[in-house]
Amino acid sequence: AQSVSQHNHHVILSEAASLELGCNYSYGGTVNLFWYVQYPGQHLQLLLKYFSGDPLVKGIKGFEAEFIKSKFSFNLRKPSVQWSDTAEYFCAVNPYNFNKFYFGSGTKLNVKP
Amino acid sequence: EAQVTQNPRYLITVTGKKLTVTCSQNMNHEYMSWYRQDPGLGLRQIYYSMNVEATDKGDVPEGYKVSRKEKRNFPLILESPSPNQTSLYFCASSPQGAKTEAFFGQGTRLTVV
Repeated sequence: AQSVSQHNHHVILSEAASLELGCNYSYGGTVNLFWYVQYPGQHLQLLLKYFSGDPLVKGIKGFEAEFIKSKFSFNLRKPSVQWSDTAEYFCAVNPYNFNKFYFGSGTKLNVKP
Repeated sequence: EAQVTQNPRYLITVTGKKLTVTCSQNMNHEYMSWYRQDPGLGLRQIYYSMNVEATDKGDVPEGYKVSRKEKRNFPLILESPSPNQTSLYFCASSPQGAKTEAFFGQGTRLTVV
């Protein structure tokens, strides 16, 4: 079965600190990759996505992610977090010939003002 | 406004009483899916639909039914709810299957007592 691992379940940072959230997946073939954010009490929204091309993708609100094929990873980064980034972050994978998304278990980010 | 609409947002019911959660999208998307979100488990796909009259099981389909009689609607049916189906449910739609960004509804918090 496919799996998506987010090793950091809960991260606490101070404002202006740098952020990196890990995401690893188990599928060996071509994949489409996504990061979603869920603000408290809200639905999931897309932060960024990778389909092909430049492995460093930029998303909204200053977030970026790097696809490293050899490591089956798609880590999310932000150089300087803000209190408004407090949310839960989900990595998702779509194996290329599958009609399913597979989500990680999520990482709760708490940014202290 | 492009959106995915779920109803109801909150529901408390008793074990065994059939219920339906509705989902409607106004973006003419072909792909629709249902997820349940549980703490520490992330989002798990229940069912998905590639188009009208085309539905398939996700990873946790037991105890659920769906139908897709019209492109815009994808209701989730619990014929005989049980307490282990207490969860937060999200409907999502995508324009081109699971290969593209998913647009999520606001969620339905279901409690089965």
